[in-house]
Amino acid sequence: DVKVTQSSRYLVKRTGEKVFLECVQDMDHENMFWYRQDPGLGLRLIYFSYDVKMKEKGDIPEGYSVSREKKERFSLILESASTNQTSMYLCASSLSTAYTEAFFGQGTRLTVV
Amino acid sequence: DQQVKQNSPSLSVQEGRISILNCDYTNSMFDYFLWYKKYPAEGPTFLISISSIKDKNEDGRFTVFLNKSAKHLSLHIVPSQPGDSAVYFCAASDYRDDKIIFGKGTRLHILP
Repeated sequence: DVKVTQSSRYLVKRTGEKVFLECVQDMDHENMFWYRQDPGLGLRLIYFSYDVKMKEKGDIPEGYSVSREKKERFSLILESASTNQTSMYLCASSLSTAYTEAFFGQGTRLTVV
Repeated sequence: DQQVKQNSPSLSVQEGRISILNCDYTNSMFDYFLWYKKYPAEGPTFLISISSIKDKNEDGRFTVFLNKSAKHLSLHIVPSQPGDSAVYFCAASDYRDDKIIFGKGTRLHILP
């Protein structure tokens, strides 16, 4: 059974703080993703990583960075949190073969005050 | 510009009837399409998928239809059950990279 685990379910941070969201998967997947979900906007891709130390920007990378030092772990970093980054953050992983689904973690509800 | 569009934000269906959720896409390079279901405060879970070489895929109560010429797909749920009440996301990917692009979602309400 694939397991994608996000380190926190709920987080409250102050404006200007540096925030780390951690994600770990246990199925040796090459690909890992960070999305955010907002009402009326669906799931938007922030960053994608297809291998250790490799990353690609998604549709909304501004204000975020990522780190993938080990295959199983993908971190999302908010360099200086702002209130418009209050959102549900979802991590996912998948194999790097064609025609395969992504598996999601349980999500982190981040509130920036 | 949105590559995957779900134009109905919500849909209400009587229990036992058919639910039909629609999705359109603009990128002709997409060759794999997925449907996910999401409950509040949980991550999305994979439901069913279809590759572009097929026009239909069934799994139990769930069937996905793909019309490539119209760049349209739909998810049929028959019969609809109360536990089907959730947000459904349509998603697509293209063989040139492994990114998965999602639509905005459709909230399905199953009425008793």
